Amino acid sequence: NAGVTQTPKFRILKIGQSMTLQCTQDMNHNYMYWYRQDPGMGLKLIYYSVGAGITDKGEVPNGYNVSRSTTEDFPLRLELAAPSQTSVYFCASSYLTSRETQYFGPGTRLLVL
Amino acid sequence: GENVEQHPSTLSVQEGDSAVIKCTYSDSASNYFPWYKQELGKRPQLIIDIRSNVGEKKDQRIAVTLNKTAKHFSLHITETQPEDSAVYFCAASDYGKLTFGQGTILTVHP
Repeated sequence: NAGVTQTPKFRILKIGQSMTLQCTQDMNHNYMYWYRQDPGMGLKLIYYSVGAGITDKGEVPNGYNVSRSTTEDFPLRLELAAPSQTSVYFCASSYLTSRETQYFGPGTRLLVL
Repeated sequence: GENVEQHPSTLSVQEGDSAVIKCTYSDSASNYFPWYKQELGKRPQLIIDIRSNVGEKKDQRIAVTLNKTAKHFSLHITETQPEDSAVYFCAASDYGKLTFGQGTILTVHP
């Protein structure tokens, strides 16, 4: 199993551009999450999903959108990128029966200039 | 919502010493408390966790204690080694949504 994979690893965006961060897991996990980690800080929850077709906001959802059409994929969409969205983005997933035990992807480093 | 405070922000110890990192949480409904280790440029890795019905848990050189009444939990690392150097995060969870502390940079000097 590859676990949780994320693409791209690194991206530079110009202010106002849009992009989609990809996240895929092959563990048949029901729960998936998106976090952002600003320099020197802990992770903050952006959005999460409890299953295909079901998503909900986390602590810092503004400026982002998500969708969950399959169990495996949970893309994060940035519309109109802003410098404040410069961060490292981590995707995570967990089982239905042990949802708190989250497995993290390698992260996507995003720089908005 | 939940708020997690973590102290200290930096901790420097000599190899072989013990290290203790403390966290407090605000939401009494939180029932799961994991600790993550993050090396530079890497993903967070779960190193130990504890549930609210347990007061202490050990795994070799690491242990976690939980005081539900006081709403605080701590990570204890004994016989520290240089490879323990990393950023450590505590978190609290209510039904799967993790709230993280700000992190502790642990440096173990040989």
